[in-house]
Amino acid sequence: DTGVSQNPRHKITKRGQNVTFRCDPISEHNRLYWYRQTLGQGPEFLTYFQNEAQLEKSRLLSDRFSAERPKGSFSTLEIQRTEQGDSAMYLCASTRFLGVQETQYFGPGTRLLVL
Amino acid sequence: AQSVAQPEDQVNVAEGNPLTVKCTYSVSGNPYLFWYVQYPNRGLQFLLKYITGDNLVKGSYGFEAEFNKSQTSFHLKKPSALVSDSALYFCAVRDLRANNAGNMLTFGGGTRLMVKP
Repeated sequence: DTGVSQNPRHKITKRGQNVTFRCDPISEHNRLYWYRQTLGQGPEFLTYFQNEAQLEKSRLLSDRFSAERPKGSFSTLEIQRTEQGDSAMYLCASTRFLGVQETQYFGPGTRLLVL
Repeated sequence: AQSVAQPEDQVNVAEGNPLTVKCTYSVSGNPYLFWYVQYPNRGLQFLLKYITGDNLVKGSYGFEAEFNKSQTSFHLKKPSALVSDSALYFCAVRDLRANNAGNMLTFGGGTRLMVKP
């Protein structure tokens, strides 16, 4: 396995701009998760996909946040009209769904700074 | 609702000494418990998990964790710490209730482990 990859690794943007992050999961992993980690805190669940279906999105922080996984492979997380409070590390994890036995493997994250 | 507490922001230990990083949890159903480690500017790296069976779980890099149901704890341990173990450690829990959003993990706030030579 080559591991979960995320791009970009760092993003600096001005308040009000839109940003998009990409996550490439481990090959053949059918579940993909997005988490947010703010400074000094543990990761916080945002949303997840099984194949191309987004099965949970109620934890997305606001309607400015959206995610897609159009072909069941890579996923994108978009934040529209960014605010300074969006500054955080955005983590992606993937797993091959085995029911409760699954282990989530995380990517290196994208660190967002909103000026 | 599920929750995890890591009561220590930082643990300091001398190289070669045993280390313990504490974790307590709260869930409605049976818990699945995980430990992850995060090095600077890196993502979370899986260390070990408790699913069922033996209460003592062995993981990567010589780490182990002990599940204690009566104390709702899952403390991370290592018999002999290395300077390279210095990192941020996160405990996480998965609630086995059917309505747990796709097996989402709930993380503690993290504990910084500092191992000094």
